[in-house]
Amino acid sequence: DTAVSQTPKYLVTQMGNDKSIKCEQNLGHDTMYWYKQDSKKFLKIMFSYNNKELIINETVPNRFSPKSPDKAHLNLHINSLELGDSAVYFCASRGGGRAPSTDTQYFGPGTRLTVL
Amino acid sequence: GESVGLHLPTLSVQEGDNSIINCAYSNSASDYFIWYKQESGKGPQFIIDIRSNMDKRQGQRVTVLLNKTVKHLSLQIAATQPGDSAVYFCAEKIGGGAQKLVFGQGTRLTINP
Repeated sequence: DTAVSQTPKYLVTQMGNDKSIKCEQNLGHDTMYWYKQDSKKFLKIMFSYNNKELIINETVPNRFSPKSPDKAHLNLHINSLELGDSAVYFCASRGGGRAPSTDTQYFGPGTRLTVL
Repeated sequence: GESVGLHLPTLSVQEGDNSIINCAYSNSASDYFIWYKQESGKGPQFIIDIRSNMDKRQGQRVTVLLNKTVKHLSLQIAATQPGDSAVYFCAEKIGGGAQKLVFGQGTRLTINP
């Protein structure tokens, strides 16, 4: 019973292309996040949505556009991919549902994006 | 500023020994802290958390200690096992409504047989 799932797990693409990563959570959570983990393992928040509304945007280039069709899904679309976008992208969710604590964030397995 | 740092980037211990991973945070207003374990190729996995009204919290083989005076957090793992080998992150919660977690850089724990 997967809690937070992401697709694809691996994504290899050329510079300049547009790609999307999808995330779904079945925890009944209200808030979802996108994080970027660089090659040095540093995790940094990018976006957060609460009930389909954008509540955090951490000065991410506008080539990155999150979209939340409903509170169980948060997708990330990236336009004009650059070499520096290569990283592992994690989706996370928190709040409500069956979580023991509404502050605890639960992470997906990650999507490794490689831009050539 | 917003930063959560770790004192040691790598830690190597013998199987069966106890390990302690340390973390310093900078925001004295943070009221929630959390430890994650990340195994190779996987997402961060929740281990244990603690609120600022507590000094210590215990789980199964893990204990988190919080010293608000010096803004220090530690994770103790008892009787380490090979499966404990991973990168461990501490994080502090920033903000109330639109809250976010600020992560430290991570400590790679290696358990030697």
